[in-house]
Amino acid sequence: DVKVTQSSRYLVKRTGEKVFLECVQDMDHENMFWYRQDPGLGLRLIYFSYDVKMKEKGDIPEGYSVSREKKERFSLILESASTNQTSMYLCASSFTSGSPLGYEQYFGPGTRLTVT
Amino acid sequence: DQQVKQNSPSLSVQEGRISILNCDYTNSMFDYFLWYKKYPAEGPTFLISISSIKDKNEDGRFTVFLNKSAKHLSLHIVPSQPGDSAVYFCAASDSGATNKLIFGTGTLLAVQP
Repeated sequence: DVKVTQSSRYLVKRTGEKVFLECVQDMDHENMFWYRQDPGLGLRLIYFSYDVKMKEKGDIPEGYSVSREKKERFSLILESASTNQTSMYLCASSFTSGSPLGYEQYFGPGTRLTVT
Repeated sequence: DQQVKQNSPSLSVQEGRISILNCDYTNSMFDYFLWYKKYPAEGPTFLISISSIKDKNEDGRFTVFLNKSAKHLSLHIVPSQPGDSAVYFCAASDSGATNKLIFGTGTLLAVQP
């Protein structure tokens, strides 16, 4: 059974703080993703990584950076948190494959971040 | 520009009846489509998928229909149960190397007992 875990379920930070969100998967997946979910906007891709130390920008990368030093771990970093980054953050992972197996992403439970 | 659209933010259905959730897309390069279900305070979970070479895929109470000419897909749930109450997201991929998904905005389904 695939397991994607996120370091915190709820987090409250102050404006200007540096914030680290950690994600770990145990299925040896090549791909890992960070999304944010906001009401009426669905899931929007922030960054993704298709291999260790590799990363690509998603649709809304501004204000964020990522780190992938090990295959199982993908970190999202808010360099200087702002109130408009208050959101639900979701991590996901998947295989790299041309088969349908590669399309299915497995999600963690999410981190509800509030920036005050 | 929203490439995957779910125009109904919410849907209410009686228990036992059919739920139909709709999704439209604009990118003709999309060749794989998925539906995810999300409960509050949980991550989305995969529900059902369909390849663009098919027009229907069925899994128990869940059926997904794809109309490529109309760039439209729909999820049918029959019969609907109160436990089906959740937000449903459709997602699409263009089979790039990373299998990146583009998600819709979601539809909140409420199944009334």
